[in-house]
Amino acid sequence: DTEVTQTPKHLVMGMTNKKSLKCEQHMGHRAMYWYKQKAKKPPELMFVYSYEKLSINESVPSRFSPECPNSSLLNLHLHALQPEDSALYLCASSPETGTGWAPLHFGNGTRLTVT
Amino acid sequence: GQNIDQPTEMTATEGAIVQINCTYQTSGFNGLFWYQQHAGEAPTFLSYNVLDGLEEKGRFSSFLSRSKGYSYLLLKELQMKDSASYLCAVRDGDYKLSFGAGTTVTVRA
Repeated sequence: DTEVTQTPKHLVMGMTNKKSLKCEQHMGHRAMYWYKQKAKKPPELMFVYSYEKLSINESVPSRFSPECPNSSLLNLHLHALQPEDSALYLCASSPETGTGWAPLHFGNGTRLTVT
Repeated sequence: GQNIDQPTEMTATEGAIVQINCTYQTSGFNGLFWYQQHAGEAPTFLSYNVLDGLEEKGRFSSFLSRSKGYSYLLLKELQMKDSASYLCAVRDGDYKLSFGAGTTVTVRA
């Protein structure tokens, strides 16, 4: 079982909907990540939070809005998405961004379909 | 930017050995990781190399040559459950983890 929990597992939303993806970890990690993965493609980095502050935004469109309410939680707010945004959204955590040896621990992801 | 290359697919027989190569050109280097990902599931961490040489972990070993920008993952005594995608990932100087496209390994009986 993964130590990073993501909800929901599946989400279908229309282009005018507003929804949120949630991620939680209780490993005491201080860095949290959002990745997007399309079928048969590698995960692509979207955002990195370090100590609850946004440290990396990989030029993600503003229809994706991340939020880190505390060190254990990470949200991704979705609004006015496009069908091409359909993908597996993976949350990950690591002890901190500056620790090169520390692997990322991934959640099982949210399978998002935009209709 | 990052350029991480690995073969798209490999097939091997149960009990055999398979070697997955990965070459990279990155703006910085702070470690190379191998992850396993079964279809529809999260990537799971397999190994980490930051210094040149071989790291062994049970049936899995990983090798790194920083001067050549090259790594490989060696899977020994293949089992059916090893059928998965194997992702090579490099952490650059900005601590971002960038992934290669993945190698799909199919283990046949």
